[in-house]
Amino acid sequence: EAQVTQNPRYLITVTGKKLTVTCSQNMNHEYMSWYRQDPGLGLRQIYYSMNVEVTDKGDVPEGYKVSRKEKRNFPLILESPSPNQTSLYFCASSDRGIGSPLHFGNGTRLTVT
Amino acid sequence: QKEVEQNSGPLSVPEGAIASLNCTYSDRGSQSFFWYRQYSGKSPELIMFIYSNGDKEDGRFTAQLNKASQYVSLLIRDSQPSDSATYLCAVIFTGGFKTIFGAGTRLFVKA
Repeated sequence: EAQVTQNPRYLITVTGKKLTVTCSQNMNHEYMSWYRQDPGLGLRQIYYSMNVEVTDKGDVPEGYKVSRKEKRNFPLILESPSPNQTSLYFCASSDRGIGSPLHFGNGTRLTVT
Repeated sequence: QKEVEQNSGPLSVPEGAIASLNCTYSDRGSQSFFWYRQYSGKSPELIMFIYSNGDKEDGRFTAQLNKASQYVSLLIRDSQPSDSATYLCAVIFTGGFKTIFGAGTRLFVKA
């Protein structure tokens, strides 16, 4: 089954404790992206990747890191999480044909206390 | 700043009515437009995409695009309670590297 898999689904952590949210897709998509979703603000892009070893900042990259060492994986790293990073996070991928739609993972709800 | 604007709602319609959802975007050169549906606590799922001016129909859904006026709309005919969700408008801006989402419109369909 074609899918984007995120883990974990729920995560509660404390300020400053490094964490990684994993994302993997099995559709051989070149493009992958991370979004955060907050009430009233919609989906905001954190980072995106056009291909292996090619990443770029989205609209809200501060406090986040990503890597794209393999085509299928695009982990999101929070080196020192803070309470303002409490949010619902989505990983998405697309094959980047002209105007290709995004395929989303199931989301990760992160709480930083 | 490239923006996508939607009325946050909530929009409430009776069962069987037509629901009309609207979206405007700031980049006149945008080429690709999407409507996603998102149920509470779930991930967005694609409903429709449209690239050309005019209407595109898929079952009970019709997407309308007017590039001159920079708006895109979604009509849902014969609305059902199961259509109650948040509808996200998304635009790929010129350059094609980023998909920008509107904040979403909450739709309630009353049985």
